[in-house]
Amino acid sequence: NAGVMQNPRHLVRRRGQEARLRCSPMKGHSHVYWYRQLPEEGLKFMVYLQKENIIDESGMPKERFSAEFPKEGPSILRIQQVVRGDSAAYFCASSPRTGEDEQYFGPGTRLTVT
Amino acid sequence: ILNVEQSPQSLHVQEGDSTNFTCSFPSSNFYALHWYRWETAKSPEALFVMTLNGDEKKKGRISATLNTKEGYSYLYIKGSQPEDSATYLCASSNDYKLSFGAGTTVTVRA
Repeated sequence: NAGVMQNPRHLVRRRGQEARLRCSPMKGHSHVYWYRQLPEEGLKFMVYLQKENIIDESGMPKERFSAEFPKEGPSILRIQQVVRGDSAAYFCASSPRTGEDEQYFGPGTRLTVT
Repeated sequence: ILNVEQSPQSLHVQEGDSTNFTCSFPSSNFYALHWYRWETAKSPEALFVMTLNGDEKKKGRISATLNTKEGYSYLYIKGSQPEDSATYLCASSNDYKLSFGAGTTVTVRA
């Protein structure tokens, strides 16, 4: 059973470009979470999605950031018009249910904005 | 936002020795406490999820305890081995949203 997959592992974008980060949850998991680790900081919650629904996006910046988890295909975290402050490691996690379930993490995408 | 703190920030332990470190979290509205093991360039690996006061969980040489009334959890490593070197993260959750501490980085010296 493959774990959570994220791609790309490393992404370099110039200021003003768009970044698309993909996450394929573990088989059978319908709950996806995105976390961000800024330099010298801990992991911070961004957004929680179920298939086709955003449940909680309270940790996501209001502008330029969006997330989706379509019926078919991976979850996408999209950052428009990237700025240097968006440089961070973005981690995706998935779980079969919420609550007491463990969240299984992917290896992360390291975004560098030049 | 749940304020989760871990101490110490880092520690060095001799191979074969045992060690432990702390995670403290707000005890009000507690839901669950998660422990993860995170090696550099790898995914955080889930170790334990604990919910009940007095819970004790064990996985090989690693174990954890939980005190929800006073808001702390201990992680213990018995007979440390070099492969135990990693950053250990704890996170308190409100159902689905994990609030992470900064981690304790353990280095096991051979």
